[in-house]
Amino acid sequence: QSVLTQPPSASGTPGQRVTISCSGSSSNIETHYVYWYQQLPGTAPKLLIYTNSQRPSGVPDRFSGSKSGTSASLAISGLRSEDEADYYCAAWDDSLSGVVFGGGTKLTVL
Amino acid sequence: EVQLVESGGGLVQPGGSLRLSCAASGFTFNSYAMTWVRQAPGKGLEWVSGLSGSGATTYYADSVKGRFTISRDNSNNTLYLQMNSLRAEDTAVYYCAKCSSGTYTWFDPWGQGTLVTVSS
Repeated sequence: QSVLTQPPSASGTPGQRVTISCSGSSSNIETHYVYWYQQLPGTAPKLLIYTNSQRPSGVPDRFSGSKSGTSASLAISGLRSEDEADYYCAAWDDSLSGVVFGGGTKLTVL
Repeated sequence: EVQLVESGGGLVQPGGSLRLSCAASGFTFNSYAMTWVRQAPGKGLEWVSGLSGSGATTYYADSVKGRFTISRDNSNNTLYLQMNSLRAEDTAVYYCAKCSSGTYTWFDPWGQGTLVTVSS
C-alpha cells in the first residue's frame, strides 16, 4: 500500500488528453513539491515534472502538472504511442522523514 | 554530461551482505545530495535512502533502517549502499540518482540500475 495513491491504469487513443491523479495528505503533497517520473518499458525512470508543474528541458509541453491541496495531477495532451509507460508521482513526507512514491500508473495508448 | 553507473549487484543468500556502488561523473559530486531507489520485479518504485552532499545527513526508509547504510566518497565521486541482513523482499533493481536543488525528491538523472537477488 503506497502512501501516495494513483490509479493503477489509464488509457487513451492517439490525440486524446489523459490525466493521472496522485492523492496524498497534509504531511506530503499539501506541504511539499510533487515530482513526476516516467518509466518507459525496460528503462530507468526519467524526471518528467518537477516542483509541481515545471518541465525539464526536452520534455514536450504536452505534459503538464498541477497541484491542489492534498492532490496532484499529471495531464498528457495529444497522446502519442511513445507515451506508453509507467508514471509515478513522488513527494517528501514529514511524518516518515523520507520520500514517498505513488504506486504507479500504467498508461496504455489504444 | 552527467552519468551515473551502478555496480555491485548479484545473487546473495538471505542474511548475507552486499555493497552497491554508483560512480558519478559530469558534475561537482560533493555539491549534490544523492539517493537510492529500488524496484522489485514487476512492482513500483520504492525510495530507499538519501544522503547530503557532505555525507553528514542521511535518511532511510523504514523497511531498510538498521540494515542498510548509505555513504559516499567525495574524493572518488562514488556513492555506496551497504546492505546487511538481506531478505528475499530486498530483491530488486537498485537505482542511484542525483538530487537537485537541495532536495531529496528531485531525482535527475538516474543510473541504469543494478539487480540484487536475495535467494538461497
